Amino acid sequence: GIQVEQSPPDLILQEGANSTLRCNFSDSVNNLQWFHQNPWGQLINLFYIPSGTKQNGRLSATTVATERYSLLYISSSQTTDSGVYFCAVVLGNQFYFGTGTSLTVIP
Amino acid sequence: KAGVTQTPRYLIKTRGQQVTLSCSPISGHRSVSWYQQTPGQGLQFLFEYFSETQRNKGNFPGRFSGRQFSNSRSEMNVSTLELGDSALYLCASSLAGHYGYTFGSGTRLTVV
Repeated sequence: GIQVEQSPPDLILQEGANSTLRCNFSDSVNNLQWFHQNPWGQLINLFYIPSGTKQNGRLSATTVATERYSLLYISSSQTTDSGVYFCAVVLGNQFYFGTGTSLTVIP
Repeated sequence: KAGVTQTPRYLIKTRGQQVTLSCSPISGHRSVSWYQQTPGQGLQFLFEYFSETQRNKGNFPGRFSGRQFSNSRSEMNVSTLELGDSALYLCASSLAGHYGYTFGSGTRLTVV
C-alpha cells in the first residue's frame, strides 16, 4: 500500500511561534487531508487539500502533488494547538494515515 | 447537525470475551469506515461500509467483523478478545466515500 511519512515526529514550541509540518507520500493521490487529534481522541478535519494552497485562520496548507508532499503551517501558535497532527491520503475509500506529529505549545 | 456518535466511549473487557461497538453517522451519510489506533501501529483501516455492503476491508483477522444497517448505523464486533486489541476505535462517515469524512470521538477499548 501507499506509504505516508510525517516529520518531525515531535515538536515543542513557545506560544506565538510558527511551525511547519511535512507529509510525504509514495504514490500519486487525488485526496489528501490534514487532521488534528484532540486530547479526547477525536480527529478534527483541518483541510481537504489534494493540491494547491488553502488557508483557514492561523493555519494553512500546501500540497505539491507532482512532488508528493504536503505542508501544514501553523502561525502564532497557541496552547490549544497542542495535540497530534495527521496527514492522510485516500485510495479506494480507505485512509492511509501518517505516523503523526505531536505538537506541544508551551505558554 | 449532529456529528458522528460512537458508543460506548470506554469499555473494559476480559481476554476471550467479545465486544460490539456502535457508530451512528451524520444524517444522510451512507459511508461508514472503522479504524483502529494503537501506539505501536498507529491508525489502521479496518473496513468500510456503504449502503449496507462492505466495500473495502483492511488487513485484520476474521475476529474483526462489522455490519451496516438500513439507517446507515454501523457496528463492529471483535470476538475472542486479545490483549493486543486494546486500542482506540474510530469510525468516520461521509456521503459516499472519497472525501468529506467526519470522525467520531472513538471508543477506547481496554482488554485485561
